[in-house]
Amino acid sequence: GESVGLHLPTLSVQEGDNSIINCAYSNSASDYFIWYKQESGKGPQFIIDIRSNMDKRQGQRVTVLLNKTVKHLSLQIAATQPGDSAVYFCAENWHTGKLIFGQGTTLQVKP
Amino acid sequence: EAQVTQNPRYLITVTGKKLTVTCSQNMNHEYMSWYRQDPGLGLRQIYYSMNVEVTDKGDVPEGYKVSRKEKRNFPLILESPSPNQTSLYFCASSLEGAHTEAFFGQGTRLTVV
Repeated sequence: GESVGLHLPTLSVQEGDNSIINCAYSNSASDYFIWYKQESGKGPQFIIDIRSNMDKRQGQRVTVLLNKTVKHLSLQIAATQPGDSAVYFCAENWHTGKLIFGQGTTLQVKP
Repeated sequence: EAQVTQNPRYLITVTGKKLTVTCSQNMNHEYMSWYRQDPGLGLRQIYYSMNVEVTDKGDVPEGYKVSRKEKRNFPLILESPSPNQTSLYFCASSLEGAHTEAFFGQGTRLTVV
């Protein structure tokens, strides 16, 4: 999950700007990473994933970057919209059954 | 509609009174898992199941039991609830293992007094 040095509990951005949410994962043996979005009162929703044999993966308006050297994961959201306001969690998997979540970053989008 | 359904959504109970939170998925997923979410701690895995009759402990299994008698259902059992189990609980399922996209239920808010 997120480390003290890199984890920002809250990120506030202007509508239309790009957002970058960071996450430091804990296990160098982790081989699968996921970003989830959780809106108020709802369960987490899958955004994008990446496997350890990749450095970058792009989706619709989102990009995940993986730096295995420093065990760092980031989620970039392009042209942030009010609907992007939520809590974002990174998660890592190194055992087929276990999934470890970070503490989460709250993204606030200012109009 | 593909979904994970938890019941109940809200529950207030007393210490020591056994309860079960049900979870059902209609996607024929092999993998199911339970998490609890507490402020400042994120989501922590309680138990998971790789397939029918196969369950294993997550990071915080103490005080909980699960069963996986059929593929679609994965109930969470609290034999003797205590106030420290007051939390928001989520069930999730995925096609196979934690290394595939997981679908979450809407959550069950449990209060133990």
